[in-house]
Amino acid sequence: AQSVTQLDSQVPVFEEAPVELRCNYSSSVSVYLFWYVQYPNQGLQLLLKYLSGSTLVKGINGFEAEFNKSQTSFHLRKPSVHISDTAEYFCAVSFKAAGNKLTFGGGTRVLVKP
Amino acid sequence: NAGVTQTPKFQVLKTGQSMTLQCAQDMNHNSMYWYRQDPGMGLRLIYYSASEGTTDKGEVPNGYNVSRLNKREFSLRLESAAPSQTSVYFCASSPLGGGQAINEQFFGPGTRLTVL
Repeated sequence: AQSVTQLDSQVPVFEEAPVELRCNYSSSVSVYLFWYVQYPNQGLQLLLKYLSGSTLVKGINGFEAEFNKSQTSFHLRKPSVHISDTAEYFCAVSFKAAGNKLTFGGGTRVLVKP
Repeated sequence: NAGVTQTPKFQVLKTGQSMTLQCAQDMNHNSMYWYRQDPGMGLRLIYYSASEGTTDKGEVPNGYNVSRLNKREFSLRLESAAPSQTSVYFCASSPLGGGQAINEQFFGPGTRLTVL
């Protein structure tokens, strides 16, 4: 069965420091990849997506992610975080071989400290 | 263009009561989904509808029923609420289907349900 793993459940980080959130998935066959952000008491909002083409994808709010097919990873990065980046981040993978079912990782809670 | 809307935003029920959560989308999407979110468990799919008139079970369907009333609306019903159904419920829609292969999902703001 397809699976998505976010290795870190919580990541504390100081303001203006860089952050990397890790996401690995189970299958190397064709996939579409997404990162969503959930601010406190809100719904999920799309940060960025990889559908095809360049493996480095830029999203909103200064985030970027890199698709690595050989390592089946799609890690999210931001070079300098703000207090407002405090949120939960979800990696999601759509596996084409499984009818494009979207599978979510367990989420990573980012706490930005002043 | 409101996107995905959900009602109500908050609800408190007593054990055994029933209620329906409403969801509507104005993006002409084919697919719609209901998830529940619990602390430490991420998002779990309850039911989904790949097109108008069809519904399928997800990962945690027990205790729930759904209706795809038309292309816009997808409701979730709890027939006899239990404390284990205390959760935050999210509806989502996607253009997936009808020749569109990308399952990018758009989420509503959620319904916070407490069952006493």
